[in-house]
Parts: sequence; C-alpha cells; structure tokens
Amino acid sequence: QKEVEQNSGPLSVPEGAIASLNCTYSDRGSQSFFWYRQYSGKSPELIMSIYSNGDKEDGRFTAQLNKASQYVSLLIRDSQPSDSATYLCAVNRAGTALIFGKGTTLSVSS
Amino acid sequence: GAVVSQHPSRVICKSGTSVKIECRSLDFQATTMFWYRQFPKQSLMLMATSNEGSKATYEQGVEKDKFLINHASLTLSTLTVTSAHPEDSSFYICSARDSLSPYNEQFFGPGTRLTVL
Repeated sequence: QKEVEQNSGPLSVPEGAIASLNCTYSDRGSQSFFWYRQYSGKSPELIMSIYSNGDKEDGRFTAQLNKASQYVSLLIRDSQPSDSATYLCAVNRAGTALIFGKGTTLSVSS
Repeated sequence: GAVVSQHPSRVICKSGTSVKIECRSLDFQATTMFWYRQFPKQSLMLMATSNEGSKATYEQGVEKDKFLINHASLTLSTLTVTSAHPEDSSFYICSARDSLSPYNEQFFGPGTRLTVL
C-alpha cells in the first residue's frame, strides 16, 4: 500500500527560527512531490512543488528531495506566527491522485 | 492563476434531503477533478476521482449511489450528497488538475462545510 508518513507534531519553534518538516514515502515510482499548507477550517494551499533531487527555494521556503532515501522535506526560514498551520506532504505518479500524509502541525510562538 | 471555486461554501440541511456542491476551475481546464472529505482534526480522505466525460472512480468504502459525481465539462464537476444524514456532516473539498500542466499539480477549492440536522 502506498503511504506517505509525516510526524504529526506539534512542532513548536520560536519566531525567527527555522522550522524543518519531514516526510517519507513508500512508492519508489513517485514522480511529483508537493507541500500544502492548511489553516484550521480552511482548504489546503499549494506552497511548494519539487520534481527532481536536490533543493528548490521559493522565498522563505526550501523543499528538499532525496529519491534514493524516499525523503522530502520543507524548511521554513525566519518562521512567523502566521506560518502556524498544518503542513501536508503529498506525492503522486503521473496521472494519478495525490497521496497525502496526515500532516504536521507547526506552531510558531512570538 | 490556478483558481478553483466551490459553491456553496456552507450549507445546512435537514436529514433526508440532497445537497449539490459545485467545483469550478476558473482559469484552466481540468479533465480530472478530485473530491475529498475531511472530518474535524482528521486528515483529508479522497472520496473519488472525477474525469470529464466519463464515470467517476470511487475509493473503497465510498458509496457511489450516495455520492453522485458529474463532470460534464472541462471546468465543472458536481458532487451530490443524496439523502444526507447527520453522519455526512463534514468539510467537502474539491481539487482540480491543470490538464495542460506536465507537473501534476492539484489546486484546491475553498471547501464546502455541510451540516445535516
């Protein structure tokens, strides 16, 4: 069974610190990897996508992918209280539905 | 770009009635849309995959006769919850995949909160 695993948290970091969120997946054929942010009571919002090994940076966010280790991570630099949310890792193969992890809750304290 | 809308955002209905939820991709074409359900403090659960012009594919345990899906155009999919009961109360969220994008990105609508009395 294809699975995506995330530590449920909560992960607590002080404002200004780096938050590190991790995700592992079981399907070696996975081709696309995504991080979504979901605020309480809202729908998920796509914040990062990555398709090849290495790092991808977008503003304060950096996604890291290691296909050999079946591992994808999200780093949030200079964390802000507004970053407090649940972060969902999702993976898929071409043409298939996303498989989501259960999410990691991040709490950034001011 | 990549905006997905859902209507209504919130609905309260009596037990036994049917509720239709619309999902639209506003600025892209989506041959494939997905319907999810999320109960409080739980993870997203994929209910079905909706393909334009063909029958939806339902996940195991999801009753296709209760959750009717129609994907009649490249920008619109509808989910009808038939004979709704209180246990169907949940947050229903659709997502759409851009048909022309090679990256398999899915964009979510804002969700519909259904309360069945």
